[in-house]
Amino acid sequence: DAGVTQSPTHLIKTRGQQVTLRCSPISGHKSVSWYQQVLGQGPQFIFQYYEKEERGRGNFPDRFSARQFPNYSSELNVNALLLGDSALYLCASSSGLAGFTGELFFGEGSRLTVL
Amino acid sequence: AQSVTQPDIHITVSEGASLELRCNYSYGATPYLFWYVQSPGQGLQLLLKYFSGDTLVQGIKGFEAEFKRSQSSFNLRKPSVHWSDAAEYFCAVGARSNTGKLIFGQGTTLQVKP
Repeated sequence: DAGVTQSPTHLIKTRGQQVTLRCSPISGHKSVSWYQQVLGQGPQFIFQYYEKEERGRGNFPDRFSARQFPNYSSELNVNALLLGDSALYLCASSSGLAGFTGELFFGEGSRLTVL
Repeated sequence: AQSVTQPDIHITVSEGASLELRCNYSYGATPYLFWYVQSPGQGLQLLLKYFSGDTLVQGIKGFEAEFKRSQSSFNLRKPSVHWSDAAEYFCAVGARSNTGKLIFGQGTTLQVKP
């Protein structure tokens, strides 16, 4: 079975541009969470979607937005890119929200470099 | 404030030696606790988790962790380290009602000497 897949794996943007990152969860999983991992730090929670509704938002500016589609895939959008947005963006899926159904399975991430 | 602290940024151990990685957390209620491992350029893989019950939990790859409520700690251990264990290790906590919003520590990089 396919795991969580993310695209693109690597991308380079310049300041002020916009980027869209994509995530396909494990088949049957209805929850998708997004995390930002800056080099040398632990992942930071950005968004969670469950059943196409936003269920949580981390401490990120409004330049960050996300959505979940009817097939449970998800997109993360970042507008007006800053140098500090350079990071590994991780997507994780789970079948539910809590307990054993809430266990997160992570993709390998999208590495964004902003020049 | 909710937080996770991994006091050791970098640890080096010899192959075959024992390992303990420390994790302390600050959380309003008893959280769910996790340890993840990340190899270079890879995503995160779950090593083990604590939800309830026995405070000593066993995970994959021979790892175990002990939850100590009184110390707000969840330290990771392995009796004999293998060269393939070299990676970055993250402790994380999450609410019992929703484990999709995890709070991670800054990570501990493990180097294994031959």
